[in-house]
Amino acid sequence: DTGVSQDPRHKITKRGQNVTFRCDPISEHNRLYWYRQTLGQGPEFLTYFQNEAQLEKSRLLSDRFSAERPKGSFSTLEIQRTEQGDSAMYLCASSLTHNEQFFGPGTRLTVL
Amino acid sequence: KQEVTQIPAALSVPEGENLVLNCSFTDSAIYNLQWFRQDPGKGLTSLLLIQSSQREQTSGRLNASLDKSSGRSTLYIAASQPGDSATYLCASKSGSNSGYALNFGKGTSLLVTP
Repeated sequence: DTGVSQDPRHKITKRGQNVTFRCDPISEHNRLYWYRQTLGQGPEFLTYFQNEAQLEKSRLLSDRFSAERPKGSFSTLEIQRTEQGDSAMYLCASSLTHNEQFFGPGTRLTVL
Repeated sequence: KQEVTQIPAALSVPEGENLVLNCSFTDSAIYNLQWFRQDPGKGLTSLLLIQSSQREQTSGRLNASLDKSSGRSTLYIAASQPGDSATYLCASKSGSNSGYALNFGKGTSLLVTP
């Protein structure tokens, strides 16, 4: 069991560019979550997938954000037309049931 | 919306001390509560999970308790070590059928000095 993996670990981009992050959950975990964490704050929920279905989206997920989980395995989070306020750590988590969530190492995004 | 508060925001203790981190939540109708550790610039490591029907969970030197009626959870760390230095986060999961997200506090930053 390799745990939750995320790629890339760091991303620096210029304002206005599009970025895409990938998350690979623990194998057999059918539930996948995306969170965003800014400095000095706890993670904030963005969206939730059960298998390939996106069942919940936070109000934080503006129309510039889109997430997919096409085959119920890995997931991608895309941010279009990035803004400086998008700079944060983007965390992915997975779980087998509604219980314990296991987090990946995160992707640190810096928008210049 | 569930509000989760952690006190203190920061704590510095000498090695060997026992310590308690506090977490409070506004909505007692939780499904479970999870404690995490986060090292600087890293992801979250799950420490303990307490179901709503449980009162406490233990793992090694860590003990977490849950009192739903008062909206409180505590994380007890025995015989602290410098390697325990990290930010500790608590998070509650809603008890409603539509609640999938964890609601996090801002964390307690712990420094254990040799």
